[in-house]
Amino acid sequence: AQSVTQLGSHVSVSEGALVLLRCNYSSSVPPYLFWYVQYPNQGLQLLLKYTSAATLVKGINGFEAEFKKSETSFHLTKPSAHMSDAAEYFCAVSDRYSSASKIIFGSGTRLSIRP
Amino acid sequence: GAVVSQHPSWVICKSGTSVKIECRSLDFQATTMFWYRQFPKQSLMLMATSNEGSKATYEQGVEKDKFLINHASLTLSTLTVTSAHPEDSSFYICSASSAGGRHRVVNEQFFGPGTRLTVL
Repeated sequence: AQSVTQLGSHVSVSEGALVLLRCNYSSSVPPYLFWYVQYPNQGLQLLLKYTSAATLVKGINGFEAEFKKSETSFHLTKPSAHMSDAAEYFCAVSDRYSSASKIIFGSGTRLSIRP
Repeated sequence: GAVVSQHPSWVICKSGTSVKIECRSLDFQATTMFWYRQFPKQSLMLMATSNEGSKATYEQGVEKDKFLINHASLTLSTLTVTSAHPEDSSFYICSASSAGGRHRVVNEQFFGPGTRLTVL
């Protein structure tokens, strides 16, 4: 069984500050890992994904995440927060050995940006 | 990129009526489509997985007779909420995945914009 745990349901940072959203995963097989962003009343947009190539994954909007197998983590970071980054962020995991398998989502972290 | 649309974007209906939500992959053939439900300030919960031309696979606890899913073509899946009640009010999101072609990124799902259902 696979699962992800997002630490902190709400994170607040100042504009220009470092953004760090934490995600730990559990998987019995090597996983694929994702970060999605959701703006109010909208669907999900893929920020980045880890599919076993480079462990440091760069995504859109200046976000990146590092896959650390030893820590079973896939934390999302951005060096400098913008007001437009305020949204809900979901970490997710799926089984790499299945052609179109289910994605299991974490509970989400709401990111607020203080002016 | 791969685009998935949903229609309608929002719907309000009376209790006891049925509502159909469409999910379309606009520029690729979706061999698999997924339906999710999202309550306010919560995560997405997978309801069912549908493969084109076959019956949907429902997650535990999801009533298949209440949430009818049809995936009749490679670009269209529908979710029908039958005899809707206020507790069915939610945000429903679909996603689509392709097993081949230019959009074959392993295990990547492309999400629709969601449909807000309110049952009075």
